[in-house]
Amino acid sequence: DGGITQSPKYLFRKEGQNVTLSCEQNLNHDAMYWYRQDPGQGLRLIYYSQIVNDFQKGDIAEGYSVSREKKESFPLTVTSAQKNPTAFYLCASTHPGGGNTGELFFGEGSRLTVL
Amino acid sequence: AQRVTQPEKLLSVFKGAPVELKCNYSYSGSPELFWYVQYSRQRLQLLLRHISRESIKGFTADLNKGETSFHLKKPFAQEEDSAMYYCALSGTSGTYKYIFGTGTRLKVLA
Repeated sequence: DGGITQSPKYLFRKEGQNVTLSCEQNLNHDAMYWYRQDPGQGLRLIYYSQIVNDFQKGDIAEGYSVSREKKESFPLTVTSAQKNPTAFYLCASTHPGGGNTGELFFGEGSRLTVL
Repeated sequence: AQRVTQPEKLLSVFKGAPVELKCNYSYSGSPELFWYVQYSRQRLQLLLRHISRESIKGFTADLNKGETSFHLKKPFAQEEDSAMYYCALSGTSGTYKYIFGTGTRLKVLA
């Protein structure tokens, strides 16, 4: 069953703690993305990666970090430096190339609540 | 800079009425434009892309480079069209930065 899997679905964290959200895909996609979804603000791009061992900051990268050691995996760490981390986080992937980017496939999301 | 603007947060129409969800963009090159839809309790999914020039579920969208717009239209709204709609833009050369607008919630009233 191909697709994108995010875990955990729900996560609670105390202030000052780092937390890592998992994103795995078995679609053989090169590009992966992390978005933050807040009511009234749509999807805002945190980080994206076009190939293994390479990633770029999106529009709201401060307080977040990522790694891309394997093609299938793109974990997101929400650090204690992120001032307002409570949000819904979405991971996505696509198969870009040839100047014609493709459809984004999304995970079900992870809801992080900071207590 | 890449930017996508959806001016309406909420659009309410009656069943059978025409629908137009507005999207304007800013991009220095030739963008790829998309519309995504999120139905209640479902994953965000692609509705249509400009390069395909297709009609999906009765929706169409035409890229107007002069007005930098990619409005989504449907002549007769159905109740099942009620959802959150996002316009998205992707770069096409060198970087595949993929950004979204703030979304428009469409409510189709019976």
